[in-house]
Amino acid sequence: NAGVTQTPKFRILKIGQSMTLQCAQDMNHNYMYWYRQDPGMGLKLIYYSVGAGITDKGEVPNGYNVSRSTTEDFPLRLELAAPSQTSVYFCASTLGGTAGNTIYFGEGSWLTVV
Amino acid sequence: AQKVTQAQTEISVVEKEDVTLDCVYETRDTTYYLFWYKQPPSGELVFLIRRNSFDEQNEISGRYSWNFQKSTSSFNFTITASQVVDSAVYFCAPNAGKSTFGDGTTLTVKP
Repeated sequence: NAGVTQTPKFRILKIGQSMTLQCAQDMNHNYMYWYRQDPGMGLKLIYYSVGAGITDKGEVPNGYNVSRSTTEDFPLRLELAAPSQTSVYFCASTLGGTAGNTIYFGEGSWLTVV
Repeated sequence: AQKVTQAQTEISVVEKEDVTLDCVYETRDTTYYLFWYKQPPSGELVFLIRRNSFDEQNEISGRYSWNFQKSTSSFNFTITASQVVDSAVYFCAPNAGKSTFGDGTTLTVKP
């Protein structure tokens, strides 16, 4: 089973460039999430989606955009990359929105902005 | 909403020692869930256990055990006879998905 797949795994961006982190899940999960993890820190929620066509902001949404046109895909867009966005990005999904759902994480995308 | 606190930022032990990672939570919910995840040096996040608030029974899985005590709002994780491969960051996390994780506890097991 593929689970949650993120691409690319590594990327170096120059300040001001734009890019999209791709995320796909094949588990037919309704809920999808994007987190960032700065060095030595925990995960902070950027955006989440409860289903196709529905997205909402998390704790740290500034500088990012998302879309959810299908159940499977949840891309994260960085419009004008800044050094503060250097981080590891994790995409995740859950079957539903109840508290007990297990979160399935992708393997992470390491992004460096120089 | 829930909040978890992992007061131990870093722990270092020698192989074969037992080690306990502390997690204290705060909640006003009567029903809630708590999770433990492991993040090895390779970076991926590995699900370890989920516990709901109705189930205070301790759980043992091989060298891992979890002690959930509502009276002290704690959900501690013990590794028995630690091994070098246990070196990782361990996160105690509240309910799924929309919660922000804490900063975790970095465990280093030395040979």
